[in-house]
Amino acid sequence: KNEVEQSPQNLTAQEGEFITINCSYSVGISALHWLQQHPGGGIVSLFMLSSGKKKHGRLIATINIQEKHSSLHITASHPRDSAVYICAVSRGNTGNQFYFGTGTSLTVIP
Amino acid sequence: EAEVAQSPRYKITEKSQAVAFWCDPISGHATLYWYRQILGQGPELLVQFQDESVVDDSQLPKDRFSAERLKGVDSTLKIQPAELGDSAMYLCASSWDRSGEQFFGPGTRLTVL
Repeated sequence: KNEVEQSPQNLTAQEGEFITINCSYSVGISALHWLQQHPGGGIVSLFMLSSGKKKHGRLIATINIQEKHSSLHITASHPRDSAVYICAVSRGNTGNQFYFGTGTSLTVIP
Repeated sequence: EAEVAQSPRYKITEKSQAVAFWCDPISGHATLYWYRQILGQGPELLVQFQDESVVDDSQLPKDRFSAERLKGVDSTLKIQPAELGDSAMYLCASSWDRSGEQFFGPGTRLTVL
């Protein structure tokens, strides 16, 4: 069983829709990360959070430590948001090793 | 803005050949990571360096893979001999220290024929 589970695996939305991607983890963590990977492979870090909520533009990330759950929300989605969104957790006990989810492939249709 | 550099971006090779990937982390970042990402899956850690020392290489197939970071700056990942199952994206990342946010390079996409 993977330490990090994401849902849904694939998501198609109309431009302007509100999008939610969920992440659950089963291990103790020092931080949770949301990453964005565009076709071609490069990964960009969107958020690193250990509690509460963070907002950057149209992106919002929340985490509930007690429930071991995080959500990534995209408001007013746009075709340029189309990418794979990956949830990862860092445990901090082995040198900040990441445990990655398998990603959510998002397609936003104009 | 400082970035993690990787080369080549794409590599096609035949099985049993040797391949090498290069990574130059963001200046000043002490920790460097090599990940392998198979299509449709999340990345998996191959090796982690703290300066020039290997911190974790438990998932590195040591019979064919090797990694070095001789001066604690740039790093090379080598596969010899390459196998069909090695086809994947190889990602390098770096961070200030073991607890810092990781910054990823663009990756090297390897295809083994």
